[in-house]
Amino acid sequence: EAEVAQSPRYKITEKSQAVAFWCDPISGHATLYWYRQILGQGPELLVQFQDESVVDDSQLPKDRFSAERLKGVDSTLKIQPAELGDSAMYLCASSPGIPGGAGNYEQYFGPGTRLTVT
Amino acid sequence: DAKTTQPPSMDCAEGRAANLPCNHSTISGNEYVYWYRQIHSQGPQYIIHGLKNNETNEMASLIITEDRKSSTLILPHATLRDTAVYYCIVRVYTGRRALTFGSGTRLQVQP
Repeated sequence: EAEVAQSPRYKITEKSQAVAFWCDPISGHATLYWYRQILGQGPELLVQFQDESVVDDSQLPKDRFSAERLKGVDSTLKIQPAELGDSAMYLCASSPGIPGGAGNYEQYFGPGTRLTVT
Repeated sequence: DAKTTQPPSMDCAEGRAANLPCNHSTISGNEYVYWYRQIHSQGPQYIIHGLKNNETNEMASLIITEDRKSSTLILPHATLRDTAVYYCIVRVYTGRRALTFGSGTRLQVQP
C-alpha cells in the first residue's frame, strides 16, 4: 500500500538555527498539505499545494517559514530561524484530485517529523 | 466548516463496542461528517464519512441523527490497537480543502 514518506522522523535543533523537513506524497496525488501539531492539540494547516502552486498559505508564518513543491511532486518545509515555540510535530498529507473537483478524496498522512527546539 | 464538540476522553473494555459521540449542531446541508483517528506518534488516519444515512465499512459504523446535529462513531469490537485520539470533522464534500481538527476524543481501550 502506497504511503506518504517524511524525513527526518525526529529533529533536535537549537533556536536560531535553520531546519528543513521533506515530504514525498503518494504517487499521482496532486494536492499536498503541511500541518503543524502542537502536543495535546489537533493538527493545523500551514500550507496547501495544488501541483507546484500554493493554494493556501494564510496560516504560514512567512517571516520564518517557507515551503516549496518544485515539479509538483515532493515538498520541503523550512524554518529559519527556529524558535522555541516551533517545537511540534510537522505532518505532511496528500490527496488525489483538484480543489473544487467533485468527489470525496481522503487525505493520507505521513508519520510526521517531531521537531524539538532547544 | 461547522464546529464540533467531543468529550475529551473515554474508556472502553477490550472486545466491547466503543461509541464515540460528536455534536455538530450548526452543520449545514452540504456538510459531511468525517472521522479520523491518530494513534500515538503516527499521522491521522481516515476512518469513515457520511451525510445523513448511516454508514458502515470494515473499520467502523457511523450513525447520524435524523436532524444531523449529532453523530456517533461505533467501533464494534474494540481492541488495544484502537487506542487513539478520534477526531470528528464537519466539512463540505467537494474540493480539497484542508481538514480543521478540534481536540478530539482520546479513547483508551482497557484489557
